[in-house]
Amino acid sequence: GDSVTQMEGPVTLSEEAFLTINCTYTATGYPSLFWYVQYPGEGLQLLLKATKADDKGSNKGFEATYRKETTSFHLEKGSVQVSDSAVYFCALNSLNTGNQFYFGTGTSLTVIP
Amino acid sequence: GAGVSQSPSNKVTEKGKDVELRCDPISGHTALYWYRQSLGQGLEFLIYFQGNSAPDKSGLPSDRFSAERTGGSVSTLTIQRTQQEDSAVYLCASSSYRRDQPQHFGDGTRLSIL
Repeated sequence: GDSVTQMEGPVTLSEEAFLTINCTYTATGYPSLFWYVQYPGEGLQLLLKATKADDKGSNKGFEATYRKETTSFHLEKGSVQVSDSAVYFCALNSLNTGNQFYFGTGTSLTVIP
Repeated sequence: GAGVSQSPSNKVTEKGKDVELRCDPISGHTALYWYRQSLGQGLEFLIYFQGNSAPDKSGLPSDRFSAERTGGSVSTLTIQRTQQEDSAVYLCASSSYRRDQPQHFGDGTRLSIL
């Protein structure tokens, strides 16, 4: 069945460091891919999305490219800030599975000054 | 516009009591999802409603858990005879039935069983 595998955390970086969080997926059909961010005490917020192969989603300095050949959707940011400290979830959905969403296990990021 | 609204935001109850958690989705969203998130953990899928179709209940952990969605809008998740292991944050999300549209999440209900 459809699934998402996400890099284990926690990840600790210094401010202005480069961030990569790996995400790979297994899916039938043509899923859409998403990154969500969860700040402490809050629900998940959509960070970015890509709906077809080679699409690049971007928001707030974060980017991810939908790579069908490697079934990947890695999240990157060139220079992280303390305010980026949160938990990041990779997810996919597909109408092949009745619009069910599949989430990775989440990666906790802490950015230190 | 209004987002997904969940109530209560916090609930503390004694073991063995029943609890009801409410979710008010975004207007016009036909899909509604419930998840459970234990401390420091990922999302555990519980149940999914889509329009008038029979709900996907495959994630409900026991028959103490049930959910309904009235009029295709508001949903209630009920936990009967609560146990301490039910303590978690319960998240609700809604979406439109389109592959390219994301889920929108509420802030969750933090449930604590004493």
